[in-house]
Amino acid sequence: AQSVTQLGSHVSVSEGALVLLRCNYSSSVPPYLFWYVQYPNQGLQLLLKYTTGATLVKGINGFEAEFKKSETSFHLTKPSAHMSDAAEYFCAVSHSGGYNKLIFGAGTRLAVHP
Amino acid sequence: DAGVIQSPRHEVTEMGQEVTLRCKPISGHDYLFWYRQTMMRGLELLIYFNNNVPIDDSGMPEDRFSAKMPNASFSTLKIQPSEPRDSAVYFCASSFGAASYGYTFGSGTRLTVV
Repeated sequence: AQSVTQLGSHVSVSEGALVLLRCNYSSSVPPYLFWYVQYPNQGLQLLLKYTTGATLVKGINGFEAEFKKSETSFHLTKPSAHMSDAAEYFCAVSHSGGYNKLIFGAGTRLAVHP
Repeated sequence: DAGVIQSPRHEVTEMGQEVTLRCKPISGHDYLFWYRQTMMRGLELLIYFNNNVPIDDSGMPEDRFSAKMPNASFSTLKIQPSEPRDSAVYFCASSFGAASYGYTFGSGTRLTVV
């Protein structure tokens, strides 16, 4: 079975600092990997995704993530945090039983301080 | 496009009552998903449909939960009878084709059972 582990349920950074949110996955087949963001009282919004090809993928709002097969990781980064980045972030992997079923991690809540 | 539309946004009901949550997917999307989000369990996939047909309902917690998709533009999730432990935010999401396209989520229905 596929699974996703997000290290750190809460991450706090200063405005302008590097953002690093960690995600590790397990999969018996080549995975599709996703990062979603959830702002308070809203649904999840797709930030970026990896399917095939280039392992460094860029998303919206200056975020990017790198697929590292050897480390089974898909960490999310942003060089400089902005106050508006404060939200909850979810990593997701497609399910081995069918590529249309996403399994989500537990989420990481990002706080950005002035 | 108006996105995935869920109604109602908030629902408060008494234990034992029937609750019906509604979802209108994005036109042209052929997959529809129902998720439940709680603090304790995070995001759980309840059921998903492909071309209006239920494909995987293994996440439906009990027989009290049922979901239907009578046509491509409408789906319902029903809880009968409702219990306090059903209190959660219920999300509907839709996608076109394979999961590599990502899902589009609705804004959710916050259900409170008292």
